Amino acid sequence: EPEVTQTPSHQVTQMGQEVILRCVPISNHLYFYWYRQILGQKVEFLVSFYNNEISEKSEIFDDQFSVERPDGSNFTLKIRSTKLEDSAMYFCASSEMDRGPGYTFGSGTRLTVV
Amino acid sequence: GESVGLHLPTLSVQEGDNSIINCAYSNSASDYFIWYKQESGKGPQFIIDIRSNMDKRQGQRVTVLLNKTVKHLSLQIAATQPGDSAVYFCAENVNSGYALNFGKGTSLLVTP
Repeated sequence: EPEVTQTPSHQVTQMGQEVILRCVPISNHLYFYWYRQILGQKVEFLVSFYNNEISEKSEIFDDQFSVERPDGSNFTLKIRSTKLEDSAMYFCASSEMDRGPGYTFGSGTRLTVV
Repeated sequence: GESVGLHLPTLSVQEGDNSIINCAYSNSASDYFIWYKQESGKGPQFIIDIRSNMDKRQGQRVTVLLNKTVKHLSLQIAATQPGDSAVYFCAENVNSGYALNFGKGTSLLVTP
């Protein structure tokens, strides 16, 4: 069964450092997303990406965040200057069509900012 | 330090019983709904979805019911198994947007 692959599974970084979280969406999917989940809380939408541009973003996705599809397979989330409160699980997702069905999620990257 | 998070409602059922997990949504403009299962340390896993032009949809051992009048969604799991133990989230989507808005989640514990 096709999967969304995320690397690394766990990243520890110092406050103020830049991090790049990587994702390989399912190959025939056209819509890509980043979500995050702070420990013990619900999953929150960050950004959606289609046709090489951001289609929607939440209030969380401020200027320190950026996304990129550098080639035909990778989709990245960059956090420019990490803060302690950025510590969370970051999930990448992709979907074949606009608004589903399903949105397949990756297993996540646990980001710990120290 | 101690993290402060949401206290999840917990549903405890015996193996073989049916489970019903409920979700209330707030946006009357939502027209697409999904149930996800999340096991510890993993990403949300798609279970079943339903669009607002339906009030019931069935999958393998799962049924989703949608009541738009009271903005309520439920997930029924038949013959619950220990492997069904997880946190279950409902998510809603509005036709005008791409974002999924997740609910707080319900922890399902299946005891043998």
